[in-house]
Amino acid sequence: SYELTQPPSVSVSPGQTARITCSGDALPKTYAYWYQQKSGQVPVLVIYEDTKRPSGIPERFSGASSGTVATLSISGAQVEDEADFYCFSTDSSGTPYVFGTGTKLTVL
Amino acid sequence: QVQLVQSGAEVKKPGASVKISCKASGYTFSRYYMHWVRQAPGQGLEWMGIINANGGSTKYAQKFQDRVIMTRDTSTSTVYLELNSLRSEDTAVYYCARDKVPDYWGQGTLVTVSS
Repeated sequence: SYELTQPPSVSVSPGQTARITCSGDALPKTYAYWYQQKSGQVPVLVIYEDTKRPSGIPERFSGASSGTVATLSISGAQVEDEADFYCFSTDSSGTPYVFGTGTKLTVL
Repeated sequence: QVQLVQSGAEVKKPGASVKISCKASGYTFSRYYMHWVRQAPGQGLEWMGIINANGGSTKYAQKFQDRVIMTRDTSTSTVYLELNSLRSEDTAVYYCARDKVPDYWGQGTLVTVSS
């Protein structure tokens, strides 16, 4: 079955840039989406179609994709950005959908 | 405003079945797909499947193919997730989430499987 691989954890100091990667064989052909899930809350979409930011999401969140790796960047990370982040995509046939393994972002 | 309201927590014994509901409001129900996603305690998000509210066609993750049934009732704008042959590893919060790229999520339903 198709898998999306993320690092288990990323840690940065406030004000630094956090980068979270997502690796998947189909990413050259499919879009990556990114969700932020704070403790005890439902996931929130922060990046769609590799690079686009939904309304209401701070500009410090950005996305990029190159080859088999998609990257979520948070420039000037803030303590309030601490959360688990998941990439989301499909295999090249369009289904099934899959979430990445998840990355815990610590900002301190 | 868009709302997805899920049914309450369930406690089941191993081998039993559970059926969770997700009632949608604030949008045209039949125009959107609905995912089901689960999250075991302390674990990541796991995609289970998707249903097209217009017509009811479904796609399931291979892992659940033999045990899951997703249905919808257009008269009540409700989608259902039925999971059979429950085991302890199915203990999780189950979410419904609207659209092919989930934008709105239900509040989650905790299913506990324990003897």
